Amino acid sequence: QEQLVQSGAEVKKPGASVKVSCKASGFIITGYYMHWVRQAPGQGPEWMGWINPNSGGTKYAQKFQGRVTMTRDTSINTVYMELSSLTSDDTAVYFCAREKGLMSAVTTGAFDYWGQGTLVTVSS
Amino acid sequence: DIQMTQSPSSLSASVGDRVTITCRASQNIGTYLHWYQQKPGKAPKLLIYSASSLQSGVPSRFSGSVSGTDFTLTISSLQPEDFATYYCQQSSNTPGTFGQGTKVEIK
Repeated sequence: QEQLVQSGAEVKKPGASVKVSCKASGFIITGYYMHWVRQAPGQGPEWMGWINPNSGGTKYAQKFQGRVTMTRDTSINTVYMELSSLTSDDTAVYFCAREKGLMSAVTTGAFDYWGQGTLVTVSS
Repeated sequence: DIQMTQSPSSLSASVGDRVTITCRASQNIGTYLHWYQQKPGKAPKLLIYSASSLQSGVPSRFSGSVSGTDFTLTISSLQPEDFATYYCQQSSNTPGTFGQGTKVEIK
């Protein structure tokens, strides 16, 4: 069965960077767009961007342009999200999610499988 | 960015009640609208995609509909496991945006 398992919680100081991993099992990531979504405490989810694991192509929300980098390692079926120049406003749970529908067919923009979330705390 | 206005922000209901949650888009998004359920400390769970398609494994008491830019999630008979927060999400334009959520509480 399809599953996404993320790396553990992180505590970072302002100005630092964080890199979160998301390992897929039960499916091959090169067949699907993979997204990153974050959720600040008590807030709704916020979309950050996607990566096409087949080509390595990415699309980021303008809000995160220049600070976020999404990459993949197809040999271990894993995607990564790195966020730099962290501030306290970046304290949130970060999720990876799979877009429903094969890239080669019809995609929906909906997210049918999610990782368990990674809490990133930014504090001095 | 497309704004998604979700209402109400919270509601109290009893087991067996019919519950309706609405999401309004700030511009035309076709049927690129999806609904999620989230419980505390957990990831969102996809319930309805493309406005009205039921995700595999989701009970049939959940349904979605659309009228223009107004989208509705209906729970026909609320069950104890349905007490949670519900979010809509549009995927018509980048960035995909979520509503602010509707918390369904026990009356």
